[in-house]
Amino acid sequence: ETGVTQSPTHLIKTRGQQVTLRCSSQSGHNTVSWYQQALGQGPQFIFQYYREEENGRGNFPPRFSGLQFPNYSSELNVNALELDDSALYLCASSRGTGGGTDTQYFGPGTRLTVL
Amino acid sequence: AQKVTQAQTEISVVEKEDVTLDCVYETRDTTYYLFWYKQPPSGELVFLIRRNSFDEQNEISGRYSWNFQKSTSSFNFTITASQVVDSAVYFCALTSFSGGYNKLIFGAGTRLAVHP
Repeated sequence: ETGVTQSPTHLIKTRGQQVTLRCSSQSGHNTVSWYQQALGQGPQFIFQYYREEENGRGNFPPRFSGLQFPNYSSELNVNALELDDSALYLCASSRGTGGGTDTQYFGPGTRLTVL
Repeated sequence: AQKVTQAQTEISVVEKEDVTLDCVYETRDTTYYLFWYKQPPSGELVFLIRRNSFDEQNEISGRYSWNFQKSTSSFNFTITASQVVDSAVYFCALTSFSGGYNKLIFGAGTRLAVHP
């Protein structure tokens, strides 16, 4: 069984640029969630996708957007990057209806640095 | 509002010592789930355990054990006979089925350093 994978591993961007992060969900999982983890803090929920629709969102501005594809993989897009966007971005996949409380399994993360 | 508090920022122990990581949560939901995740230096969050609010039985898995007490809103994690490989940041998390989606609310984490 393939686990959650994310790409790229590391990324360096400059303020104002745009970035796309990618995630492939674990086999058999149809729900993807994205989290932002600033240095020394716990992960913060960005949003969740189920059946290609965003079905829940945390306290993040609209410049954070996402997509989910028919194969359940997902993208996180961040526009107009700010210095505070520097963080580890974690993708998690889970089984179920999207509204359930199934266990979320995480990928290795993408470390984004904004200069 | 839902909240998870891990009051211990860092813990340092010597190998073979027992160590307990504290977790206190707040929620108004009657049905909720609690989790522990381990984050080694590689960054990936590794799932350790999930517990629902109706099951207050303690659980043991090898050197790991969890003590869930609803009366004190606590879900503590004990590592017996710690090993260097246990060094990591440990996160306690809470989720509930509200709003039609499932988000994890994490504590700030406890960094555990196990020294030989």
